[in-house]
Amino acid sequence: GAVVSQHPSRVICKSGTSVKIECRSLDFQATTMFWYRQFPKKSLMLMATSNEGSKATYEQGVEKDKFLINHASLTLSTLTVTSAHPEDSSFYICSAGGPGYTEAFFGQGTRLTVV
Amino acid sequence: KQEVTQIPAALSVPEGENLVLNCSFTDSAIYNLQWFRQDPGKGLTSLLLIQSSQREQTSGRLNASLDKSSGRSTLYIAASQPGDSATYLCAVRMDSSYKLIFGSGTRLLVRP
Repeated sequence: GAVVSQHPSRVICKSGTSVKIECRSLDFQATTMFWYRQFPKKSLMLMATSNEGSKATYEQGVEKDKFLINHASLTLSTLTVTSAHPEDSSFYICSAGGPGYTEAFFGQGTRLTVV
Repeated sequence: KQEVTQIPAALSVPEGENLVLNCSFTDSAIYNLQWFRQDPGKGLTSLLLIQSSQREQTSGRLNASLDKSSGRSTLYIAASQPGDSATYLCAVRMDSSYKLIFGSGTRLLVRP
């Protein structure tokens, strides 16, 4: 399968600061990328869908001004958590899909801790 | 709205046992269904993907079945090993968009 790399794998930030998470497709063109959030011992909840070159589509209840998503190229999408608070602490995972593939491929995830 | 449910939420078995994990979904008009493994603090590893036209898929000791009409899928693990201990997630895809709807997972512990 194709490879999706997510960076960083862990990040700790102070309340009020912003943190950026990167999701890269290493060997294919990702026309669509997804960002999921996972609470402890819970399932993955889709936050937003991003298509290259267009605005992201956010799921109901997800604050688009807090979770900024950019998909400026066919190999990179970024999620920026702005003015982070402790309740934003979670595990964030991206996935990417593209032409010729029957499934999306997942990054390794990012553990965000806001202190 | 599609809802995906996994039963049981947790399972503990002795090594060597065969086991079945269950996944059910409310809307049978799925595009495909996928089973994943997740180790603690890690990302997802895709195990098996079943297209809507298929009934089952096999990979090594794993066998996944799909019954669209009843909205059910099972993941069968043969001769379980301690290394199989992980959380197993099923997810359905409703269209060509790659977007997945996940179940809440089954946490499996295989005791030596």
